[in-house]
Amino acid sequence: EDKVVQSPLSLVVHEGDTVTLNCSYEVTNFRSLLWYKQEKKAPTFLFMLTSSGIEKKSGRLSSILDKKELFSILNITATQTGDSAVYLCAAYNTNAGKSTFGDGTTLTVKP
Amino acid sequence: DTAVSQTPKYLVTQMGNDKSIKCEQNLGHDTMYWYKQDSKKFLKIMFSYNNKELIINETVPNRFSPKSPDKAHLNLHINSLELGDSAVYFCASSHRTSGGISSYNEQFFGPGTRLTVL
Repeated sequence: EDKVVQSPLSLVVHEGDTVTLNCSYEVTNFRSLLWYKQEKKAPTFLFMLTSSGIEKKSGRLSSILDKKELFSILNITATQTGDSAVYLCAAYNTNAGKSTFGDGTTLTVKP
Repeated sequence: DTAVSQTPKYLVTQMGNDKSIKCEQNLGHDTMYWYKQDSKKFLKIMFSYNNKELIINETVPNRFSPKSPDKAHLNLHINSLELGDSAVYFCASSHRTSGGISSYNEQFFGPGTRLTVL
């Protein structure tokens, strides 16, 4: 059975700190690793990673995938209170046609 | 224009009732999903339809019945509601294939329907 594990489950930091969120996966027929941000409502897409070692960047957020060690990290630099959210990682099994989601990391950024 | 829409946003009902949630996407995607998110924020897939055909049916009580009248719509009907059904239900859509090539499954989520069973 496909499995995605995120750590830590929750994290409290102060504005300006840098955080690293972890995601490890065991997925057959792996095709992609996706990161989502969920604030009060629906998850919204952040990054999609398919190749090892290629960093994806969007502003203060960046992510990278290691397909050999089966993990990904999401970095957020200079955190702001607006970064407070649940960050979800999902791994896509292309044969099964489904993504398995991790349990999420709840990030709280204090002023 | 909303890409993935769900109705209703909130649903409060008594145990034993039957209710439906509707979902529509205007993104031209070929695959739609229903997820359940409980109070601990665990997001679990329930069903997936590709071109109106059921392709994923996780271990879900048969009180839950999805229906996809066309590629752009996926509705969820729940019979004999129970307390444990209280959760937020998210609809999502994605391409499964695009131009004949398997997609990477970037999913777009609806706003969610918060179901409370009393």
